Amino acid sequence: QQQVKQSPQSLIVQKGGIPIINCAYENTAFDYFPWYQQFPGKGPALLIAIRPDVSEKKEGRFTISFNKSAKQFSLHIMDSQPGDSATYFCAASSFIIQGAQKLVFGQGTRLTINP
Amino acid sequence: DGGITQSPKYLFRKEGQNVTLSCEQNLNHDAMYWYRQDPGQGLRLIYYSQIVNDFQKGDIAEGYSVSREKKESFPLTVTSAQKNPTAFYLCASSSAYYNSPLHFGNGTRLTVT
Repeated sequence: QQQVKQSPQSLIVQKGGIPIINCAYENTAFDYFPWYQQFPGKGPALLIAIRPDVSEKKEGRFTISFNKSAKQFSLHIMDSQPGDSATYFCAASSFIIQGAQKLVFGQGTRLTINP
Repeated sequence: DGGITQSPKYLFRKEGQNVTLSCEQNLNHDAMYWYRQDPGQGLRLIYYSQIVNDFQKGDIAEGYSVSREKKESFPLTVTSAQKNPTAFYLCASSSAYYNSPLHFGNGTRLTVT
């Protein structure tokens, strides 16, 4: 129940295309869903996040779509660029302990944007 | 610049030896975390700490130990009891506010042979 399942494992898209990465969860107590972006040899960095009271959130070229009834959420990258090539992780958390959060991460998607 | 420093970037050890990974932050964050990253498995939580002198086991704590004697520092020891220690280890920190983002270091790649 604590798992977050992410797909696909890898994705190759041409420049300008719209890669879509999907995640699904079981635990209805999750109430925060961030996406992290990781470049090779670096630590992940927060990209965008959503709470379940909204169905969509946009930040620049990145959009999260959230379907609470289906317990699924996805990341869309508009007008993708070679610089977006990275590994993307979805995650989910619920309030556990004051002062810390226990994020459950998906398995990751290695995205390649070809020029 | 504020951030998280992990050292060393690469670490090699012989099987049966304990090894300690360093993590220092100057973000004044209360919470600190250790994650393990393996290909195709995402990030898995090893230990976390909300406050100095207190820490909690994560999902895969067996074979690991931590300490939190200073707010800025959260070292991780990989003991000889960890069956598959070769991995990429990531340290992170966050403020005390709920859903505040995790700030990650650039990781330490540990190879045990």
